[in-house]
This record gives sequence, structure tokens and C-alpha cells, in this order.
Amino acid sequence: DAGVIQSPRHEVTEMGQEVTLRCKPISGHNSLFWYRQTMMRGLELLIYFNNNVPIDDSGMPEDRFSAKMPNASFSTLKIQPSEPRDSAVYFCASSFGPNTGELFFGEGSRLTVL
Amino acid sequence: GENVEQHPSTLSVQEGDSAVIKCTYSDSASNYFPWYKQELGKGPQLIIDIRSNVGEKKDQRIAVTLNKTAKHFSLHITETQPEDSAVYFCAASRNRDDKIIFGKGTRLHILP
Repeated sequence: DAGVIQSPRHEVTEMGQEVTLRCKPISGHNSLFWYRQTMMRGLELLIYFNNNVPIDDSGMPEDRFSAKMPNASFSTLKIQPSEPRDSAVYFCASSFGPNTGELFFGEGSRLTVL
Repeated sequence: GENVEQHPSTLSVQEGDSAVIKCTYSDSASNYFPWYKQELGKGPQLIIDIRSNVGEKKDQRIAVTLNKTAKHFSLHITETQPEDSAVYFCAASRNRDDKIIFGKGTRLHILP
């Protein structure tokens, strides 16, 4: 298996622009997680899905952030409008689901908002 | 909600010596404690985990200990090697299908 695939790997955009980050989880995995990594705050859980359904979005910083999982093989994280403080590395991770524990992370999308 | 504190934030160890990273958690209902290693430019990867019904677990040069009463858990790396240089994250969750909350990470440098 190719692992969790994220795109783009790097994104540079200007404040106010819309940003869409994409994730393809490992085939057969039922849970999908979006994390944000910064030096100051470490790895923060933004939202996670079980069987394509959002279970907990309490980590989503504000209404500018939204996430969708239209099917088992694809998820998006959207920021609209983007702000410089959104600059971070965004990770997608997937797992088999209940009673498995291990998260498999993608290589991340590094976002820079100017 | 759960809060995981990790220290030190940076650790430098001579090659061959041991490294210890410590974490505390706040939610007494947490019962699953994984450790992840993140190499430069990569996503974190699970290296070892422990459940609350076990006090210690070992895998070659890596061991984890858990003190549920004190809500402390630690990662021990013995006979450190250059490839151990990375960022290490501890984490906690209530059960293995619940959200996993991470500490802020420890950057480990192995000195030649």
C-alpha cells in the first residue's frame, strides 16, 4: 500500500485566499484524522471521522476551517479565508478504526500564508 | 478534555548513552499511551505503545513505563544511535478508537 497520501506537499498563498488540502487514507481504514503542527502548539487534533462521519470537530479553530469526507477514500480540509496565523504543517492520518490504536500519518502539507 | 505535558522539549545525548522522555496526562480515564517518532520532513510514526493494565513494555532498545496513580509515563531509549535523532511525541487517549491527544514533542539529538 502507498500509505496515506496528502496533497499538495507545499502551498504558499496570500492572506484571504482559499486553501484546500487533500488526503487519501489507506484503503480499508475506517478512521481519518486531521492534525495541525506548529512549533508553539505541537500536534493539535482538528477533526476526525469514523466511517466518513465527522465525530469530533472541537479542535477546528474557527469557522474559516471546514473538513469533508465524501467517501472512504478522500477527505479535504479547507481554509477560507486564509490568514498568516494558519501557517503550519497539516497532517492527515488514518487508522483501521476501533480497537486498533495506531495512526498512520501522511507526509504532511506545509502551508505558508503571506 | 485530556491534556498531555511532555518534557524536556530538547534533549542531547552522547551516542551510546540512554535517553529518557517524560510525560504526564490529566484525564484519569485515559488508558492507551502511544509514542511516535517523527523524522525530518516526515509524518510521525508509531514506535511503541502501552495500555493501562501494564506497567512496563519493552521492544529491543526502547521501553515505556506507566504510573497510572501519578499519571506519568516515560520513554527510555538505551544504547542510543545516530538514527535515533528525531522528534518524539507521547500521546494519550481513553480507548484505542478515541481521539489521540499528543504532547508538544521532544527533539532528541544524538551527539557523536
